[in-house]
Amino acid sequence: AQRVTQPEKLLSVFKGAPVELKCNYSYSGSPELFWYVQYSRQRLQLLLRHISRESIKGFTADLNKGETSFHLKKPFAQEEDSAMYYCALRRNGNNDMRFGAGTRLTVKP
Amino acid sequence: ETGVTQSPTHLIKTRGQQVTLRCSSQSGHNTVSWYQQALGQGPQFIFQYYREEENGRGNFPPRFSGLQFPNYSSELNVNALELDDSALYLCASSLESVGGGETQYFGPGTRLLVL
Repeated sequence: AQRVTQPEKLLSVFKGAPVELKCNYSYSGSPELFWYVQYSRQRLQLLLRHISRESIKGFTADLNKGETSFHLKKPFAQEEDSAMYYCALRRNGNNDMRFGAGTRLTVKP
Repeated sequence: ETGVTQSPTHLIKTRGQQVTLRCSSQSGHNTVSWYQQALGQGPQFIFQYYREEENGRGNFPPRFSGLQFPNYSSELNVNALELDDSALYLCASSLESVGGGETQYFGPGTRLLVL
C-alpha cells in the first residue's frame, strides 16, 4: 500500500534562509506526487505537482525514485511562506490521494 | 468562476445519529472527492464520485456513503455516528476525463463534532 511520510511536524527558519520540507513515500509503481499548502484561514490548495516540473512561488520539488523522496525546497524563505504543507501521492490512473500528516513551516523575521 | 463550497461550516451531533454534509463543486467540474481530516493529520480519502457514480473508495466502512447529483454537487452521509468520526470533512472537485489525474480544488470543509 502507498504511504507518505513527512518526518517533521514543525519547521522554523529565518527569513532569507533556505528551507527544505521533507517527504518520503512508499509505493512500488509509478506515483504522481504533489505538494499542497494551507495558509492561515485559507483552504487547502495545490502548490505544485512533479509532472509539471515548474517552480511556484520560488518552491521546487524533485522526484527522486531511488530515494523515494519528493522534498520541497526554496532557496530564500519569506515570511509569507509560513503555512501548513502537505505532501500527497496518487497512484497513476487511480483516484485515491494519500496525504502525509503535514509540516507546519514558520518563517521568522 | 465559483469555487468549491461546503455546508454547513460546523455541526454537532451525538453518537448514533446520522449526518449529511453537502458540497457544491467548482463551475465546470464533474468529479467530487471527499476526505476526512482528523486533528493533526493529513486528509484521508473517503471516496470519489465521477458523473454520478462512485469511482474509487478508501478504507472507510459502508456507513459512509455518498451521492452525486446531475449538477455535480455531492453529499456525504454518515450513519451511526461514532466519537472517532469527529473531524474536518473536505470535498474537492476536479474536471476529470476517463484517465483521471486532474488537479483537485478543495472546499473550506465542514467541522463535525460527535458527542
